[in-house]
Amino acid sequence: DAGVTQSPTHLIKTRGQHVTLRCSPISGHKSVSWYQQVLGQGPQFIFQYYEKEERGRGNFPDRFSARQFPNYSSELNVNALLLGDSALYLCASRSGLAGGRAKNIQYFGAGTRLSVL
Amino acid sequence: LAKTTQPISMDSYEGQEVNITCSHNNIATNDYITWYQQFPSQGPRFIIQGYKTKVTNEVASLFIPADRKSSTLSLPRVSLSDTAVYYCLVGGLRDNYGQNFVFGPGTRLSVLP
Repeated sequence: DAGVTQSPTHLIKTRGQHVTLRCSPISGHKSVSWYQQVLGQGPQFIFQYYEKEERGRGNFPDRFSARQFPNYSSELNVNALLLGDSALYLCASRSGLAGGRAKNIQYFGAGTRLSVL
Repeated sequence: LAKTTQPISMDSYEGQEVNITCSHNNIATNDYITWYQQFPSQGPRFIIQGYKTKVTNEVASLFIPADRKSSTLSLPRVSLSDTAVYYCLVGGLRDNYGQNFVFGPGTRLSVLP
């Protein structure tokens, strides 16, 4: 089975531009979360979606937005890019309580490396 | 969400057993303890998860004392390819979709030849 897939793998943008990152969860997983990882730090939570509804939001500005589609894939959008938005953006999926004891295991994709110049 | 504390870095030699201890004094009753491994420019990879006592799988063991205020990830006979950052996380299930993790800086393990 395919794991969590993210696209694109790398992206270069300039300040002020807009970017859209995409994520396809593991088949059957209904929850998708987004994390930002700046070099040398642990991932920081941005958003969580479950059944197409936002279920959690981290401490990020309104320039960051996301959505989940009926097939449970997700997009992360960032407007008015700043140099500080340069990071590895990670998507993670989990099944939720399907089958009872899912134990909150998140499975991460390889990430999208965003460079803002 | 419970905060975790783990060593910033550790060094080991190939073939040795490595134990990384994590403190989580404020762990909640419904929290699980989960460990991830991350290589540079890759997403974190799930290693092991436990609630209490000992859990073992094909790559690691997780030891959790009765008070659950700490846990120890044990990697048997490490190799150079185990050089990575290891994250200790605590969190539980909330409704149907679970809590999101609060990542710290992790433990940077360097395995030397």
